[in-house]
Amino acid sequence: GAVVSQHPSRVICKSGTSVKIECRSLDFQATTMFWYRQFPKQSLMLMATSNEGSKATYEQGVEKDKFLINHASLTLSTLTVTSAHPEDSSFYICSARVLAYEQYFGPGTRLTVT
Amino acid sequence: AQSVAQPEDQVNVAEGNPLTVKCTYSVSGNPYLFWYVQYPNRGLQFLLKYITGDNLVKGSYGFEAEFNKSQTSFHLKKPSALVSDSALYFCAVREANDYKLSFGAGTTVTVRA
Repeated sequence: GAVVSQHPSRVICKSGTSVKIECRSLDFQATTMFWYRQFPKQSLMLMATSNEGSKATYEQGVEKDKFLINHASLTLSTLTVTSAHPEDSSFYICSARVLAYEQYFGPGTRLTVT
Repeated sequence: AQSVAQPEDQVNVAEGNPLTVKCTYSVSGNPYLFWYVQYPNRGLQFLLKYITGDNLVKGSYGFEAEFNKSQTSFHLKKPSALVSDSALYFCAVREANDYKLSFGAGTTVTVRA
């Protein structure tokens, strides 16, 4: 089946630094990947849609200069949280679109900014 | 605009009893409906989907869901719950011509032994 991986699974960084999270489709090519943010015991909030070879489309209220998304290949999308602050601490989940209907989700990355 | 409502924050059942997790949706066109399960500190696992066809959809781990167009519902069911079914369940919807998923707030299921 379609497998999506994320790296790292957990990261702790200091306030003001930048953190990069990778999302890979392991056994298929994904022209579209999605990045979500999830707060404790809350639903997933779509941050942006990442299309291979083009600029990401950000949802309203998401700062594109803070959350940099790059989809350089058909199997890799990256999310970089720039100048991280404690309020950026969250669980970040990516997904990849498979066929026309389904999204397969990565295991998530827990970001803690101290 | 599309949206999903999961009216129950928590569902508690005894092992062996039937489990139902409720979901209602709102879309402007034909809905594509999904159920996902999430275990602590993990991503979402796909359970089942409704695109078209039979209103009763069977999925992974013995779960099934019934699409009811008149009631705009897509409730998740399992005839006999297991302790290992304890997790957070999300219902999601998208319109046929859009790839974006909208998620419900989630329902925490606790199955007691």
